[in-house]
Amino acid sequence: DQQVKQNSPSLSVQEGRISILNCDYTNSMFDYFLWYKKYPAEGPTFLISISSIKDKNEDGRFTVFLNKSAKHLSLHIVPSQPGDSAVYFCAASWRRGGSNYKLTFGKGTLLTVNP
Amino acid sequence: SQTIHQWPATLVQPVGSPLSLECTVEGTSNPNLYWYRQAAGRGLQLLFYSVGIGQISSEVPQNLSASRPQDRQFILSSKKLLLSDSGFYLCAWSVLNSPLHFGNGTRLTVT
Repeated sequence: DQQVKQNSPSLSVQEGRISILNCDYTNSMFDYFLWYKKYPAEGPTFLISISSIKDKNEDGRFTVFLNKSAKHLSLHIVPSQPGDSAVYFCAASWRRGGSNYKLTFGKGTLLTVNP
Repeated sequence: SQTIHQWPATLVQPVGSPLSLECTVEGTSNPNLYWYRQAAGRGLQLLFYSVGIGQISSEVPQNLSASRPQDRQFILSSKKLLLSDSGFYLCAWSVLNSPLHFGNGTRLTVT
């Protein structure tokens, strides 16, 4: 049972445009969500997170939106740059349940930003 | 600042051979430590986590084991590798409610 789903294996956008990466989850107990970015042959690096008490969190070019009723979150990158080309993983955890350290990951979306 | 070291970067091992992957963290005390695996075409799967020396929790039944002999050292082992053990193994650490921080991973190919 896949509790965190990234239904788009890949996404291609033009440099300067907006990239929107989507993620759906099924476990209503999740209350903390994160996005990680991964380059080939490297470990994932933390990008941005959001708590379930918020519906938006912004950090520079990156914004994460959370729609709890739809169990959906998205990562917006504006403007997209070629260096953003990587695999993006969505992850979730249940902090109030004491499982803040156990992240459930999606399968990832490969973003390609074309110059 | 905190750093995480994981080695080796790549490893090719025959079926039935033993495995030992090591991970060490610097610059923090009493971190939570994790082993994740990314198999081909799949997401990151949590294998083991540890909240302290000698405390290991296993998330999935498998052919692997983990140990934490020191506060900042986490070891992933197997007595006999299977073909299905091939994958990209990632060590990670966290403290309190911080996000997980990953090492650069080990690409294991079992032949």
